[in-house]
Amino acid sequence: QVQLRESGPGLVKPSQTLSLTCSVSGDAISGGNYYWSWIRHLPGKGLEWLGHIYYSGTTHYNPSLRSRLTLSIDTSKDQFSLKLSSVTAADTAVYYCARLRSFYDYRDNYYYYGLNVWGQGTTVTVSS
Amino acid sequence: IVMTQSPLSLPVTPGEPASISCRSSRSLLHSAGYSCVDWYVQKPGQSPQLLIYLGSNRASGVPDRFRGSGSATDFTLRISRVEAEDVGVYYCMQALQTPYTFGQGTKLEIK
Repeated sequence: QVQLRESGPGLVKPSQTLSLTCSVSGDAISGGNYYWSWIRHLPGKGLEWLGHIYYSGTTHYNPSLRSRLTLSIDTSKDQFSLKLSSVTAADTAVYYCARLRSFYDYRDNYYYYGLNVWGQGTTVTVSS
Repeated sequence: IVMTQSPLSLPVTPGEPASISCRSSRSLLHSAGYSCVDWYVQKPGQSPQLLIYLGSNRASGVPDRFRGSGSATDFTLRISRVEAEDVGVYYCMQALQTPYTFGQGTKLEIK
C-alpha cells in the first residue's frame, strides 16, 4: 500500500521560502507511470493544483505561481519536494502531495487513473 | 480551463439521490477519446480522495452508487442513494491540460 507523507515547517515568515517534502513509502518513486503532484487547499476556497514532477525530473507548473515554485525529486530517498519563494499570507493553505498515474505505453496508447493516492496534508501559515 | 460546479450546496435526505453538475470552459475530450474529468470528495477532516476518473470510471473501492457521466463540456456526478458517510465537499477536476483546474466544490450535507 503506497503512502505519502508531507513534512515541513508549519509557519513561514512573509517573503521567505516555503519548503515541503513528501516521503513515499510502499513503492519506488522511480517506478515510472506516475507524476508526483502538489495541490493546496486555500482557506475558505477550493483546491488549487500547483504542479507535478516525473521521476526523470520533468516538471509542469501552474503559471499562476509564476517563477516562485520549484519542484524537485530525489529517487534515492523516495522523496519529492516543493519550494515556494517570496511567500505572502495568500500562500497560507493546507498543502497536499499526491500521486497521479498517467502514461503512454509503447504503442502510444494513453492511460490515466487520476490522483489516486494523497498525503494527509500539512498546514502552512505565512505570518510574521 | 475554468470548471464551474452547481449547486454549491446540496442538502440531501438519506436514501435519496443526489446530482452535481460540472461544466468546463472548453471541451475535455482527449485525442484518445477519453473525457478528461475526475471527481474527488473531501470528507470532514480528511484529504481529498478520488471517486471517478476519465469521466465515468470508478476508482478502486468506490461504491457503485456513485456514477459519473457526461462528455465534452458537461459532466455529472450522481449518487443513487445518499448515505450519511457521503457528507463532504465534492470537486470536479479537468486533467486535459496543465494547469489542472478544479471546480469550486459542492458541499453535500445531510438534511
